[in-house]
This record gives sequence, C-alpha cells and structure tokens, in this order.
Amino acid sequence: EIVLTQSPGTLSLSPGERATLSCRASHTVNSNYLAWYQQKPGQAPRLLIYGASSRATGIPDRFSGSGSGTDFTLTISRLEPEDFAVYYCQQYGSSPYTFGQGTKLEIK
Amino acid sequence: QVQLVQSGAEVKKPGASVRVSCKASGYTFINYAVHWVRQAPGQRLEWLGWINPDTGDTKVSQKFRGRVTITSDTSATTSYMELSSLRSEDTAVYYCARDRAVIVGGLHVFLNCFDPWGQGTLVTVSS
Repeated sequence: EIVLTQSPGTLSLSPGERATLSCRASHTVNSNYLAWYQQKPGQAPRLLIYGASSRATGIPDRFSGSGSGTDFTLTISRLEPEDFAVYYCQQYGSSPYTFGQGTKLEIK
Repeated sequence: QVQLVQSGAEVKKPGASVRVSCKASGYTFINYAVHWVRQAPGQRLEWLGWINPDTGDTKVSQKFRGRVTITSDTSATTSYMELSSLRSEDTAVYYCARDRAVIVGGLHVFLNCFDPWGQGTLVTVSS
C-alpha cells in the first residue's frame, strides 16, 4: 500500500498570497496518477487536479499541480477567501487507492 | 448537472449491518464506475471499493473484503454499499463518488479518482 504524507499539516496565509502544498509518496506513483481535492467544513471533497497536473472541470487556473514519481505539489497562485479549506492528495496508480492526511489552509 | 444523492444518516448497534444508497442523475449511469469512500473522525479518507454498473464487476479494498458488498441497480441508477459486522471504529461519513473517467476511442476508461461526490451519509455505530 502506498502511504501519502502531506506537509505542512497547517498552513497560515493571507488572501492574495501564494500557497504551496506538498504530498510525498512512500513508493513511486504509477503514471503520475495523483489527484488533489479540496474539502470545506460539512461538505464532500471536490476534485481539483488529476494526473498530477490536469485541472478538473470548472477549477480556476490559480490552482496548479506539478511533480512526478514520489513528490507532488499543489500551488494556489493567489489565495482567494474561498480557498481556505483542507486539501487532500490521493494516489490512484495502484490499489488500494490511498489519501494523504490533509493540509489545513487557514487564514492568517 | 451530474448529481449523486445519498440516503440519510443511520445509527446501528455493534454487529449489525448498514446499507447506504447513492442515486445518480445527470449522466449515463452505466458509463462510469461508482466508488465508495469513508471519512472517520480524525482519520484520513479511506477508499472502500468500486462497482462498474455496466458489468456488475466490483473491486473491494482488501481491508474490507468480506465485510463490504457493493451493488447497483441500473434501472434505478442507484448504487448501494453494505457494511456488515459493524464495530465502533466504523463510525464515519460514507461517500459515494463517480469515477473521473476519460473517453478514449469512444470508450470510457476509468481513472479511479473521484468527481463528483455525494453529500455523504453519517453512520454511527453505538451500543
């Protein structure tokens, strides 16, 4: 089973700043099958990025994903108030499909 | 629009079973796998398994094999997840989610990432 470790656990930033979230895998993620999700309190997760760098439908271009192998990054270029939430990475290259423990992005 | 609507919250006693439903609309049900994921308090998201509604094929995470059964009713465009032998550690919000498939040569190829998700169903296991 691939274990995903996200860092930092909590990120405190202000609107307008740039956010960089990290996801590290215990083994190589096949075909860069790595996704990012956003979850707000009381809501289901929402897909942001799949295939490490492809934005899902309707996702603003301030969200971008990068990385390969075992190291992946989600970047939010300029934070909007609605971006403060918890973010999860997920690998779907090998079963069981696993998630990171999450990074909480909070307003500074 | 694509929508997944799940059944309501459940309270069960240890040892019992629970069945959660997931009604799909806004797309051709048989073209996309449906996955089930849970989120226990303080724990990371955990994938349980998926079903291909077209063929009825299922795959369940080894951790839950023997306890999780996933089915679908194509006429009702609904998927079901049943979890048996419930214990307190199974208390969680259970989500269904459609596969984020891609179309290759006219065929839907399943990716095993999830978009969109249902609203979630809280299952509480307590004596």
